[in-house]
Parts: sequence; C-alpha cells; structure tokens
Amino acid sequence: AQSVTQLGSHVSVSEGALVLLRCNYSSSVPPYLFWYVQYPNQGLQLLLKYTSAATLVKGINGFEAEFKKSETSFHLTKPSAHMSDAAEYFCAVSRMNRDDKIIFGKGTRLHILP
Amino acid sequence: NAGVTQTPKFQVLKTGQSMTLQCAQDMNHNSMYWYRQDPGMGLRLIYYSASEGTTDKGEVPNGYNVSRLNKREFSLRLESAAPSQTSVYFCASSPQYGYTFGSGTRLTVV
Repeated sequence: AQSVTQLGSHVSVSEGALVLLRCNYSSSVPPYLFWYVQYPNQGLQLLLKYTSAATLVKGINGFEAEFKKSETSFHLTKPSAHMSDAAEYFCAVSRMNRDDKIIFGKGTRLHILP
Repeated sequence: NAGVTQTPKFQVLKTGQSMTLQCAQDMNHNSMYWYRQDPGMGLRLIYYSASEGTTDKGEVPNGYNVSRLNKREFSLRLESAAPSQTSVYFCASSPQYGYTFGSGTRLTVV
C-alpha cells in the first residue's frame, strides 16, 4: 500500500525567508510524486510532479522539490516566500501503472508572516 | 475554458434526502475520480473510473454510488444523506501522471 506523511499541519515563515514543507512517502513500487496547492475556496492546482526523470523537479511559482529515494522524501522548497504563497499544500503519491489513482497527504497550511 | 466542471457549487440537504453531484470534463481524459475533503484529513478517494464503463471503490465508498455516463461525465449520488457526509467534494480527471481538479461542491447535511 502507498501512503504519504506530511510533517507539520501548519508552517509559518517570514516573507522573504526559505519555505520548506516536508513530505515522506511509503510505496512498495517505484512511485510518482506530486505537490498540489489549494488556495482558499478553490480546487487543487498541480505545482510539480516527479515521474522518474530528473530527481530535482522545478514547478510553478518558483517552487521545487527533490526526490530522495534513500530517505523516501520529496520535500518542497522555495528560496524566498511571498505573501501570495499562503495556501494549503498537499503531497501525493501514485504508482507507475495504468491504475493511476493518487493518495494524498493530510496537507500543510503555509502562513506567511509580514 | 477547458477543464473540469462541477455542479452545484453549494448544497444544503436534510438528513435522508438524496442528491446527485455532477462532474464533466472536456479534456478527453480516460480516468475520473471523486474525493471528499475534510479538515485535517486531506483528500480521501470515494470512487474512481479508470475508463468509460468501469468504476471502482476507493477508500471511503460507503453511502455513495457513482455512474460513468460517458467519457465526459462522472456523477456521484448520495441516496440517503447523513450529517457525516457534510464535506467538500472534488471531482478530478487524469490522462496520466497527475490530476486536473474541479472547483468543488460544498455540501452540508443538516
């Protein structure tokens, strides 16, 4: 079975500081990994995805994530936080086969302090 | 605009009432999904359809039924609504390697 654990249901950073949202996964087969962002009262939007190509994945809005198989991690980072980054972020995992349903973590709400 | 369209956006039901949540996508995706989102629980898969004519249970299927009417449409039905089904419901579709989500239906059962 697959699962995702996001460390910290709430994270606060100052504007301009580094953003680091942690995600660890469990999968019995090679995974595909995703980060989604949800702004208030909206659906989820794909930030970036890892599909077995480069281990460092760049996404939209200056975010990136690194797949580390040895640590079973896929942490999301951004060098300099902006007020508009305040949202909820979901890490997710799926398997590399036709049945591509995605399992989501419980989410991390990112707060940006002025 | 291309994407996933959900209707209605908001709904209040009385316990025991039934309703159908509608979802349609115009991206020619094979796979479609229904999730519910509850505070602190993330998104949990209710049902999914890997292709037209097929449906499968997800993590939390009890109290729900689905219909994949054609490639575009995937509906979710609550036969007898319960307060525990108060949630935000999201439909998604996927070609492979990641979803496109609708904007959600906020359902309250009183």
